[in-house]
Amino acid sequence: GENVEQHPSTLSVQEGDSAVIKCTYSDSASNYFPWYKQELGKGPQLIIDIRSNVGEKKDQRIAVTLNKTAKHFSLHITETQPEDSAVYFCAASKDQGAQKLVFGQGTRLTINP
Amino acid sequence: SQTIHQWPATLVQPVGSPLSLECTVEGTSNPNLYWYRQAAGRGLQLLFYSVGIGQISSEVPQNLSASRPQDRQFILSSKKLLLSDSGFYLCAWSDGRPLHFGNGTRLTVT
Repeated sequence: GENVEQHPSTLSVQEGDSAVIKCTYSDSASNYFPWYKQELGKGPQLIIDIRSNVGEKKDQRIAVTLNKTAKHFSLHITETQPEDSAVYFCAASKDQGAQKLVFGQGTRLTINP
Repeated sequence: SQTIHQWPATLVQPVGSPLSLECTVEGTSNPNLYWYRQAAGRGLQLLFYSVGIGQISSEVPQNLSASRPQDRQFILSSKKLLLSDSGFYLCAWSDGRPLHFGNGTRLTVT
């Protein structure tokens, strides 16, 4: 089955700097790659997603890039702010109907003021 | 707009006791429903999903079961809890677009 590896497990950056989180997947048939942000005591919230027919997608300070050949995708956060501090999860799936997402282990991002 | 409700928020149960966690979705019809478990410091593991009333698919063998008695209701159950059942349980829904999660139930089995 699908396996998703996420790095780093923890990341600390200065406010205003950029943060990058990387994920690799094993199943070349996977075609959907969302990113979730989880704040303490809450459920994960979708922040951005990308499908395999697109190489890059941006939404304000957040961007995701996908390299299908290498089977990896990355989350980029620019001009980081204290409210960006959270745990971020990448995921992959190949089922659009019953969407069985396989998640990475998560990255705890800390923004230092 | 669609909303998902999950309760209780926290639960402490003794080993061997039964479990029932409930999740309901509002504002959509015939959603796909999911139960995930998140162990401390770990990623999310899919436990069950359902594409319709009475249709349950299990992803991992375990001490838990799921049921979908109504279109927008999903229940996670156990007859006898184990210590290893402790964790953060998340319900989610999808209508073909991205998964949306509830705020979870933190279960501690003592």
